[in-house]
Amino acid sequence: LAKTTQPISMDSYEGQEVNITCSHNNIATNDYITWYQQFPSQGPRFIIQGYKTKVTNEVASLFIPADRKSSTLSLPRVSLSDTAVYYCLVGDRELTGGGNKLTFGTGTQLKVEL
Amino acid sequence: GAVVSQHPSWVICKSGTSVKIECRSLDFQATTMFWYRQFPKQSLMLMATSNEGSKATYEQGVEKDKFLINHASLTLSTLTVTSAHPEDSSFYICSARDLRAGRSEKLFFGSGTQLSVL
Repeated sequence: LAKTTQPISMDSYEGQEVNITCSHNNIATNDYITWYQQFPSQGPRFIIQGYKTKVTNEVASLFIPADRKSSTLSLPRVSLSDTAVYYCLVGDRELTGGGNKLTFGTGTQLKVEL
Repeated sequence: GAVVSQHPSWVICKSGTSVKIECRSLDFQATTMFWYRQFPKQSLMLMATSNEGSKATYEQGVEKDKFLINHASLTLSTLTVTSAHPEDSSFYICSARDLRAGRSEKLFFGSGTQLSVL
């Protein structure tokens, strides 16, 4: 599995856009990029997933450059409730035919203040 | 969306006793479930992969005799921490993949179980 590197922590204020970048220089051709959010004492929650270019859903956007060696999670107009740890994961879907495991890195602790 | 239910959410036990944690996929079948452990302010660490109808696959350094995993049905996996000791105190999380979602890496996680061993 490709190793990922992301900032340990980030601070922001309510209403601002937050961009969290993840580096994955060794990403493989079949790998997808997935972001999860985790609140204290809860299990992670899927945010967004992409393979290339840009993906957007009701929660966030994911920007992936052409070389796919990095990706940026964009959270528009964050609120206090967005304070959480955000994990970037990269993995090969075909590793075990649908049951492949994910390895979590250190994650980015986002703190949103008033 | 898919839901994974994990119980109990927290448990306190005496040293030397065993604790069972259940992980259920509520609206989908999961042939594979994963068990993680998370210490305070640290990332999730994969402990084992639970396979329905067969033996679990444990990660290196995880004692299979201490952390018993049973995946007897397509919707239920259990993790039993045997002869628990204070160093086993941690946040345990299960996850499962909904294959109906297609070819994706989307995992659905349980709400976690905080285990405290006295």
